[in-house]
Amino acid sequence: LAKTTQPISMDSYEGQEVNITCSHNNIATNDYITWYQQFPSQGPRFIIQGYKTKVTNEVASLFIPADRKSSTLSLPRVSLSDTAVYYCLVGERNTGFQKLVFGTGTRLLVSP
Amino acid sequence: DAGVIQSPRHEVTEMGQEVTLRCKPISGHDYLFWYRQTMMRGLELLIYFNNNVPIDDSGMPEDRFSAKMPNASFSTLKIQPSEPRDSAVYFCASSIQGAETQYFGPGTRLLVL
Repeated sequence: LAKTTQPISMDSYEGQEVNITCSHNNIATNDYITWYQQFPSQGPRFIIQGYKTKVTNEVASLFIPADRKSSTLSLPRVSLSDTAVYYCLVGERNTGFQKLVFGTGTRLLVSP
Repeated sequence: DAGVIQSPRHEVTEMGQEVTLRCKPISGHDYLFWYRQTMMRGLELLIYFNNNVPIDDSGMPEDRFSAKMPNASFSTLKIQPSEPRDSAVYFCASSIQGAETQYFGPGTRLLVL
């Protein structure tokens, strides 16, 4: 499983766009990149997943360059409720599911 | 759907006691996962089942830990005997074959005194 590296923490203000970058230099051909969000006292929640280029859903966008050695989660116009820990995970899906190996995550604090 | 259901939400017990954590996955999901989260070690996968069959228990820390899934709608994680270092939040998650996401329950916060 590819190891990921992401910032320990980030600070932002309401209404700003937040970009969290994750490094995964050893990503394998079959690996997908997945981001989860975890609020205090709750289980992680899926945000977005991608393989290459750009993926967008109602919550976030995920940018993946051609070499796939990094990825950036983009949260548009954050609010106080986006304060959480964000995990970047990399793993293959060809076994029927993606084995999740959680790192330390990025603790995002959104202030008024 | 009610999502993944875990019980109890909180458990306080004394060292040496048996602890049983319970999980009801989302109906129709054929994968079930047990995770443990601590400040020191983060979120770790303990064991997972596919169609009620344990597939990989390499994350189970010791023989004191055991997990069962007698049917598609119920699983248990048992610790016997419990130790203070087992104190953590235990999450259950489920997913569908080929799905991109796992759905996590609210967790059970275990404190072993």
